Amino acid sequence: QSVLTQPPSVSAAPGQKVTISCSGSSSNIGNNYVSWYQQLPGTAPKLLIYENNKRPSGIPDRFSGSKSGTSATLGITGLQTGDEADYYCGTWDSSLSAGKVFGTGTKVTVL
Amino acid sequence: EVQLVESGGGLVQPGRSLRLSCAASGFTFDDYAMHWVRQAPGKGLEWVSGISWNSGSIGYADSVKGRFTISRDNAKNSLYLQMNSLRAEDTALYYCAKDSKWELPPDAFDIWGQGTMVTVSS
Repeated sequence: QSVLTQPPSVSAAPGQKVTISCSGSSSNIGNNYVSWYQQLPGTAPKLLIYENNKRPSGIPDRFSGSKSGTSATLGITGLQTGDEADYYCGTWDSSLSAGKVFGTGTKVTVL
Repeated sequence: EVQLVESGGGLVQPGRSLRLSCAASGFTFDDYAMHWVRQAPGKGLEWVSGISWNSGSIGYADSVKGRFTISRDNAKNSLYLQMNSLRAEDTALYYCAKDSKWELPPDAFDIWGQGTMVTVSS
């Protein structure tokens, strides 16, 4: 249903790196800023990355964002057990009624 | 402390109405656009509706257009969502979220409430 596609799950051992892709089109990612959200189990989403690659105050530099064409990527280095969560990308889609769209979500598992 | 607190959720029969509220504190409410985002049990995030700082711009997801109405009262630092003709598929946890800027279209959502659960069932 979502117009932004993410892998359902990724996993890695503690200390390793994971990347999460977010694939869209020219009406969304291709021409608009991407943000990323972390949702820990049983909690509300939290902003991790805004304007493609900027981190809000308090977000460690282990989290990074990038965008190329109609895709965006979230990277997490030095993986910690506390990073186990669902991650969502989000952007504006100009083909919709002034609406924001979110990705399908990716579950990160720390092995 | 910057905070959003939702209320008004509950169990409602199909076809009935419900009004959600979101109380904001810790920031200048009328400087920012605000949004409702929902999450069905075990599912992903879905943007529902957004409203600009002065209510001049409003947007709805196609799934709720014509049934839901978003509004805000800047004097009361409050956001509302009037939900009419509720359906089973509207069952979800409804989050109030603050935009990082004052206008639509939506930008990054930098503050989220804890959500209020809406269950539509007979």
